Amino acid sequence: AQSVTQPDIHITVSEGASLELRCNYSYGATPYLFWYVQSPGQGLQLLLKYFSGDTLVQGIKGFEAEFKRSQSSFNLRKPSVHWSDAAEYFCAVVNNAGNMLTFGGGTRLMVKP
Amino acid sequence: ETGVTQTPRHLVMGMTNKKSLKCEQHLGHNAMYWYKQSAKKPLELMFVYNFKEQTENNSVPSRFSPECPNSSHLFLHLHTLQPEDSALYLCASSGRLAAYVEQFFGPGTRLTVL
Repeated sequence: AQSVTQPDIHITVSEGASLELRCNYSYGATPYLFWYVQSPGQGLQLLLKYFSGDTLVQGIKGFEAEFKRSQSSFNLRKPSVHWSDAAEYFCAVVNNAGNMLTFGGGTRLMVKP
Repeated sequence: ETGVTQTPRHLVMGMTNKKSLKCEQHLGHNAMYWYKQSAKKPLELMFVYNFKEQTENNSVPSRFSPECPNSSHLFLHLHTLQPEDSALYLCASSGRLAAYVEQFFGPGTRLTVL
């Protein structure tokens, strides 16, 4: 069965520093992959998604992610973090049956001034 | 109202109470979802509705009873819950029923079962 692992439960970065959040998936075929963000007291919002084609995808709020099949990874990056990026980030993959999303455990990002 | 709204935002209930969570989407979507988000587990899909018909029940205990009277409204009826059911319950909707279609989430109802 498909699975998603986010190895880092918490990450703290300084404002203005670069960010990379890790996501590893387990899936037999070409996966449909997503990154969602959840700000405090809010629901999840889609940042970006990968289905096929260019392995570097651009999302909202200055985020990007790179699909690497050889590493089964879909890491999220941002060159310069803003204090408003403090939130929880979830990686997700469509399951084998194509009827639901499987989410990782999430990474909570804290931003130091 | 815009997007996906959920009421109440917070709910405390005893194990013998009956309560309902409400979700409303203002996006003209056809598919709606209930998720459970607890502290120790990844986000779990509970139910899926498409054009008011339930299409997925992800092995959810019968003490959770969903209802979808139309494509804009989704309810989760709760009765005889357990303390381990305390969690954030999120509602989502999407334009059509396909897992690769973007889902739009509400802010959730924080449920505490005493």
